[in-house]
Amino acid sequence: RKEVEQDPGPFNVPEGATVAFNCTYSNSASQSFFWYRQDCRKEPKLLMSVYSSGNEDGRFTAQLNRASQYISLLIRDSKLSDSATYLCVVNKKLYGQNFVFGPGTRLSVLP
Amino acid sequence: EAGVAQSPRYKIIEKRQSVAFWCNPISGHATLYWYQQILGQGPKLLIQFQNNGVVDDSQLPKDRFSAERLKGVDSTLKIQPAKLEDSAVYLCASSFSLPTSGKNIQYFGAGTRLSVL
Repeated sequence: RKEVEQDPGPFNVPEGATVAFNCTYSNSASQSFFWYRQDCRKEPKLLMSVYSSGNEDGRFTAQLNRASQYISLLIRDSKLSDSATYLCVVNKKLYGQNFVFGPGTRLSVLP
Repeated sequence: EAGVAQSPRYKIIEKRQSVAFWCNPISGHATLYWYQQILGQGPKLLIQFQNNGVVDDSQLPKDRFSAERLKGVDSTLKIQPAKLEDSAVYLCASSFSLPTSGKNIQYFGAGTRLSVL
């Protein structure tokens, strides 16, 4: 089993739709979690950290379920500019860094 | 604030040739990472430095790949000799710990796109 798994998609949704991505991780000792966004032929950029209580940033909501070892990202009111690959990232260490990336989920928002 | 700088942006070489990539992290970031990203996959960690010491190089193909960060600032990654399967984007990232939570945030450079023919 891979350490971080994501549905590669693509998810094709119309503008204005709500879309959700899930990510599962295998190491129960993992400590911190992130969603990164990667545009085509560009570097990954931090979208948001994921906190245990869940967190929201505008149209984006991230949730963490430690018991089931999954992380979710919800995008409301999708925009054309949301089209990108969304990478789930897990830091396995409590002190220090050991980041593992998922394969990414590709989203296309259609007009 | 200046971001993570990488060069070159593109490189085309023939198999069995050697190649080197350079990275200058964000000022003050003690941790530096080199990732390999093959088309359609997520980035895979090759090597991680804390200042000038290696923290993790477990996924670095040491028979052909080497990396150094001699003064704890910029870093080079070398491949010698290159194979066809080394065609990928090589991303450098640096990170710092958030003072409030201790959580680490990574910032990536634009990457070097390597094509091995």
